Amino acid sequence: EVQLVESGGGLVQPGGSLRLSCAASGFTFGDYDMHWVRQVTGKGLEWVSAIGTLGDTYYPDSVKGRFTISRENATNSLFLQMNSLTAGDTAVYYCVRGNFDVPVSPLSNWFDPWGQGTLVTVSS
Amino acid sequence: EIVLTQSPGTLSLSPGERGTLSCRASQSVNSNSLAWYQQKPGQAPRLLMYGTSRRATGIPDRFSGSGSGTDFTLTISRLEPEDFAVYYCQQFGSSLTFGGGTKVEI
Repeated sequence: EVQLVESGGGLVQPGGSLRLSCAASGFTFGDYDMHWVRQVTGKGLEWVSAIGTLGDTYYPDSVKGRFTISRENATNSLFLQMNSLTAGDTAVYYCVRGNFDVPVSPLSNWFDPWGQGTLVTVSS
Repeated sequence: EIVLTQSPGTLSLSPGERGTLSCRASQSVNSNSLAWYQQKPGQAPRLLMYGTSRRATGIPDRFSGSGSGTDFTLTISRLEPEDFAVYYCQQFGSSLTFGGGTKVEI
């Protein structure tokens, strides 16, 4: 069974940092692009980062320069280092596997499956 | 950035009825690059459709997708009780963006 399990969420003060982790199982992790997608409680979905199979990384402007995605294929792990956090970063963060018909770019992925999510709260 | 606008915001229907959800893009989207997700309260989103009309594994055939260019549609032919949820469209041809969602409620 393909499974993604996030951890590392919690309460952090504005300006602080947090590192999220995602443990993947049930598939050949190194063969897939991976992503983080977040969702403010009661609101919509926002893609926040992607990493390709070769370690190439991608970010939207909203987090560029503050968030860093990385992966460790040997341990089937995905990470998201989040710095300079603000209240606007408060959300549930989902680890997601990228899928494709032809391997072009992580920006050409649809998402399946999704982890259960980990809540990040930025508040003083 | 391609902006996706979903309508209606809320769709009130009864079990057995047909549901039609719209996703409109601010620019043309390759029909291979449009997906739909279902999210139930307290759960992560689940992939329903990709490539506009291709059902994900395990998705019943009462769900269908269509469209091209800037207008895409998710149709639920006969609503089952478990279909009441929020539905999101996503494009992945130019960066990665989601629509704001349509809530299908009883």
